[in-house]
Amino acid sequence: AQTVTQSQPEMSVQEAETVTLSCTYDTSESNYYLFWYKQPPSRQMILVIRQEAYKQQNATENRFSVNFQKAAKSFSLKISDSQLGDTAMYFCAFMKQDSGYALNFGKGTSLLVTP
Amino acid sequence: EAEVAQSPRYKITEKSQAVAFWCDPISGHATLYWYRQILGQGPELLVQFQDESVVDDSQLPKDRFSAERLKGVDSTLKIQPAELGDSAMYLCASSLQGWNTEAFFGQGTRLTVV
Repeated sequence: AQTVTQSQPEMSVQEAETVTLSCTYDTSESNYYLFWYKQPPSRQMILVIRQEAYKQQNATENRFSVNFQKAAKSFSLKISDSQLGDTAMYFCAFMKQDSGYALNFGKGTSLLVTP
Repeated sequence: EAEVAQSPRYKITEKSQAVAFWCDPISGHATLYWYRQILGQGPELLVQFQDESVVDDSQLPKDRFSAERLKGVDSTLKIQPAELGDSAMYLCASSLQGWNTEAFFGQGTRLTVV
């Protein structure tokens, strides 16, 4: 079974600063996908960014980027120019090809952006 | 913008009672998931449907939980009898069929069993 570990239960960052959220995973698969999802308070979970394991280039979506280290099984999320609206729970998730495309989530990191 | 609809948003029920949750996925999404999210933890898959067929229900406590998606569209998750440990957020998600397709989540149903 795949496990996804997020070792930072809570983090805080000041507005306009940069913050990095950590995620490690354990799998014997060679082909899989990794995701970061954001869950704002009392709102639905939304996709932030995704990364295909076979791609060496790190994914980027505006202020959000990942550092994907396949050998180390590490998948961190960097948020640049943090905004108050980035305050949320962030979940790292793993998907393997033969899992029926279900997501396997970590326990999450609570991010607070302060003025 | 299309969304996954869930109802009710909140439910309080007494231990040993029956409770049901409803989910309407985004139109055209063949895959539907039910996840359970205990406070402070990540969502855990309970059951996954492809159209009206169950793909994975290995983590569904089948002695008390049941799920159906009769016409391959909306879905119902039922718990009978509810236990105190079932208190959690129940999330429904849907996606187009296929590899690496984005899962869209509903706002969830917050269940409290007293």
